[in-house]
Formats: sequence, structure tokens, C-alpha cells
Amino acid sequence: AQSVTQLDSQVPVFEEAPVELRCNYSSSVSVYLFWYVQYPNQGLQLLLKYLSGSTLVESINGFEAEFNKSQTSFHLRKPSVHISDTAEYFCAALIQGAQKLVFGQGTRLTINP
Amino acid sequence: KAGVTQTPRYLIKTRGQQVTLSCSPISGHRSVSWYQQTPGQGLQFLFEYFSETQRNKGNFPGRFSGRQFSNSRSEMNVSTLELGDSALYLCASSLVTLPYEQYFGPGTRLTVT
Repeated sequence: AQSVTQLDSQVPVFEEAPVELRCNYSSSVSVYLFWYVQYPNQGLQLLLKYLSGSTLVESINGFEAEFNKSQTSFHLRKPSVHISDTAEYFCAALIQGAQKLVFGQGTRLTINP
Repeated sequence: KAGVTQTPRYLIKTRGQQVTLSCSPISGHRSVSWYQQTPGQGLQFLFEYFSETQRNKGNFPGRFSGRQFSNSRSEMNVSTLELGDSALYLCASSLVTLPYEQYFGPGTRLTVT
């Protein structure tokens, strides 16, 4: 069975500090990996994805994630966060051949001024 | 392009009633998936439709059903509502070729009293 684990349910950081949100996946088959962000009272927005190729992927708003096959991880990082990054972040795996996303439990990122 | 739309946005129902939620995918997207989001269980996959056929199904009771129309619009139905069905129901649409990104609507917040 496939599963996604987000190791931290909440991460508080100060504005302009770096942050890392951790994600590990378990799968016996190849997967595509995604990070989604959810702002209050909204749906999920795709932040970035890993399908193949370069293991480091970047988003337009400064986030990046690195796929590590040996550690089965896909951690999300940002070198300097802003108040506007306050949201819940979900790591997800899409099983190849099945249009089904398996989500982690989410990490609530809180930015303190 | 218009995004994924879901109607209604909010719904209050009584135990034992049934409810129908609607989802209009992004133009050109033929795959529609449904997810349930609750504080306790997180995001869970309900089912996925493509070409009016259910291709994948999550681990939910038969009270949860869905369908897809020829224009790719989808509906999900929950019969004999229970208190535990209170949740945010999210619809996502995608292409059926790479990169398989799923785009989410804003969700329907269902409250069962």
C-alpha cells in the first residue's frame, strides 16, 4: 500500500527565517510527488511537482523541494518565509496508472512577525 | 481558463437526508476526482471518473456515489447522511496524460446536524 507521512503537524517560524516541511512516502511502485497549499476556507493549490528528471523542483514563489529516492523523501523548503506563506501544506503522491492522490496529514505553517 | 467550480459552497443538512454536490471541471479536463477532507481523517480519496465511468474508488460506504456526464461535469451523492459526513468535499480535475496534475475547486462545506 502507498502512504505519505508528513512528520510535523505544525511548524511555527519567524518571518524571514528559513523553513523545511518534511515529507516521506512509501510505495512499491513509481509515484509522482506533489506539494499543495491550502489557505483558510479555500481549496488546494498546486505548489510544485516532481514527475521525473531533475530531483530539485522549484515554484514561482520561492519554494523548492528535493526528491530523494534513497530516503523516499520529498521535503519542501523556503530560504525566507513571509507572513503570506501562512497556510496548511500537503504532500501527496499520485500512483502511476491510477488517478488517485494519497495525501499526508498536512503541516500547518505559522509565520510569526 | 476558468478553474474548477463547485456548487453549492455551503450546505446544511439533517441526519438521514441525502445531498447532491456538483463539480464542473476545467475545460478540456476529462478526469474528475472527489476527496473528503475532515480534521480527523485528513484528505481521503472518494472516487474518480473518466468518460462517464468510475475508474477508481476509495474506501467509503455505498452511501457515497457519483456520476459523470458527457460534458465531464460530475456530481456526487451521499444518501442517509450521518453526523460524521460533515466535511469539506473537494473536486479535482485533470488531463489523462502527463503531467497528471489535479486542479482543485474551492470545495463544498457540508454540515450535518
